[in-house]
Amino acid sequence: AQRVTQPEKLLSVFKGAPVELKCNYSYSGSPELFWYVQYSRQRLQLLLRHISRESIKGFTADLNKGETSFHLKKPFAQEEDSAMYYCALSGSTDSWGKLQFGAGTQVVVTP
Amino acid sequence: DAGITQSPRHKVTETGTPVTLRCHQTENHRYMYWYRQDPGHGLRLIHYSYGVKDTDKGEVSDGYSVSRSKTEDFLLTLESATSSQTSVYFCAIRGTSGGNEQFFGPGTRLTVL
Repeated sequence: AQRVTQPEKLLSVFKGAPVELKCNYSYSGSPELFWYVQYSRQRLQLLLRHISRESIKGFTADLNKGETSFHLKKPFAQEEDSAMYYCALSGSTDSWGKLQFGAGTQVVVTP
Repeated sequence: DAGITQSPRHKVTETGTPVTLRCHQTENHRYMYWYRQDPGHGLRLIHYSYGVKDTDKGEVSDGYSVSRSKTEDFLLTLESATSSQTSVYFCAIRGTSGGNEQFFGPGTRLTVL
């Protein structure tokens, strides 16, 4: 069974400090991993896909298959980064494209 | 926003009443999904659809049914609402890039009293 774990419910950081959101997964095959962001009471927005290896809003995430992790990082947090962040996994063999979400991490950036 | 809308955006109902939530998309996407969002659980899949009249159950489908008679509309019905179904409901479509990314609607906040 596939599973996504986000161990931190809440992450409080100061503006300008680095921030790292942890995501660990279990999946027997090759996963497709995503980070989504949800600003207060808004829709979820796709932030990153591991296969595109891009940087969005200063965030990066690297898939580590050995540690089964996909941690999200940003070197200098901004107040506008305050939001809920979800890690999600899809199985590469899942033709339906279903997503399994972690419980989410609330990030609060204080000035 | 991938042309996804949800209605109603907010609803308060009483235990035992039927409720139908609507997801509408304008870009002819085949794959559509319904999730519920609850603190401590993230988003959990309720039902999903590949196309007209082609649907299947997700992780938390008990108490929910869906219908898709047109490509653009995916309806979620709570036959007899219970307080445990108080939640925020999100509809999503699958992107067309060849990957499994999904794009979400604005959500419906449902309160069952």
